[in-house]
Amino acid sequence: DQQVKQNSPSLSVQEGRISILNCDYTNSMFDYFLWYKKYPAEGPTFLISISSIKDKNEDGRFTVFLNKSAKHLSLHIVPSQPGDSAVYFCAAAGGTSYGKLTFGQGTILTVHP
Amino acid sequence: EAQVTQNPRYLITVTGKKLTVTCSQNMNHEYMSWYRQDPGLGLRQIYYSMNVEVTDKGDVPEGYKVSRKEKRNFPLILESPSPNQTSLYFCASTQTGNTEAFFGQGTRLTVV
Repeated sequence: DQQVKQNSPSLSVQEGRISILNCDYTNSMFDYFLWYKKYPAEGPTFLISISSIKDKNEDGRFTVFLNKSAKHLSLHIVPSQPGDSAVYFCAAAGGTSYGKLTFGQGTILTVHP
Repeated sequence: EAQVTQNPRYLITVTGKKLTVTCSQNMNHEYMSWYRQDPGLGLRQIYYSMNVEVTDKGDVPEGYKVSRKEKRNFPLILESPSPNQTSLYFCASTQTGNTEAFFGQGTRLTVV
């Protein structure tokens, strides 16, 4: 049972345009959401997060939006750069499982020059 | 530099030969965990530890063991590896009160 889903395995975007990565979740106990970025042969690195008490969090070119009623979040990257090409994982935390992150399947983002 | 260090980075072994993947963190974090990454499944938690001598199962613990004798170290033990444990493994640590996990560089394990 996949509690966090990223339904798009891959996304291709032109440099300078917006990248939108989507994530859906099913567990109502999740109250904190994170995005991780992963390059080949490296571990995931934290990118941005959002608490369930907010609906938007912005950090430079990266913005995460949360729609709790739809159990949906998205990561916007504007403008996209070739160095953003990586695998992006959505993760959720909450409930009684302190410290545990539940991950989506990942989306491969390719930004073309 | 704050980091989580895993060793080895790559390992090929044969079915049934016991192995240990080491993990060490220098951030004094209480919470540590192991994940495996498989295509189409993302990262799944294998085991976690909330502090020294406190460990518990994650979502996919079968075939694995862990120990936490010191705060900084959290080794993953495969007593009798099987081919279905071929995967990419990540160790992570988290500071108490936070949710952001810091990940090691990964260990790619192949069991033949």
